[in-house]
Amino acid sequence: QKEVEQNSGPLSVPEGAIASLNCTYSDRGSQSFFWYRQYSGKSPELIMFIYSNGDKEDGRFTAQLNKASQYVSLLIRDSQPSDSATYLCAVNMGSGGSNYKLTFGKGTLLTVNP
Amino acid sequence: KAGVTQTPRYLIKTRGQQVTLSCSPISGHRSVSWYQQTPGQGLQFLFEYFSETQRNKGNFPGRFSGRQFSNSRSEMNVSTLELGDSALYLCASSPDRGQSDTQYFGPGTRLTVL
Repeated sequence: QKEVEQNSGPLSVPEGAIASLNCTYSDRGSQSFFWYRQYSGKSPELIMFIYSNGDKEDGRFTAQLNKASQYVSLLIRDSQPSDSATYLCAVNMGSGGSNYKLTFGKGTLLTVNP
Repeated sequence: KAGVTQTPRYLIKTRGQQVTLSCSPISGHRSVSWYQQTPGQGLQFLFEYFSETQRNKGNFPGRFSGRQFSNSRSEMNVSTLELGDSALYLCASSPDRGQSDTQYFGPGTRLTVL
């Protein structure tokens, strides 16, 4: 069974701090990795995707990928109360190319305290 | 550009009935995926359709089926409903342009089985 593991949390950080969210995956052949944010009662919205080892930055968000360790992380700098949500790590375990078979972790609940 | 739309947004059914859910992808998107989200299991992949063909399938029983039409709209059907089928059913679309592809989720259909 191909799996994606996340710390369920909850993770609580003060406003302005850095929130660090982690994810590991079991399928060594996975090529594409995604972070989604889901507010309570809403559908997931894409934050970032990453395909290559290293860091990828987009505003306050930085995704980090280490394929050798099968590890993906998301850093949120200057955390705001509006960042409070469940963060879902997803790995495309499709049969190749753009074929989609996203496997999600169960999510980490982040709370940013004012 | 309009987002992914799903109908209906809410459904209440009884055990043994069947249900059909509909998804209209973002204009120009050719890949449509379906997911089931429950508090216990999280987001689980059901199946993905591209050009009216099922391209990937998750680990769900045959009671769950789907199809895609020539205009990329998709439906999923669940027959002989069980209490455990109560969930949020999410549809996601992507343009299918290779590794840089990303999926965008609709608002979901909340199914309650009594």
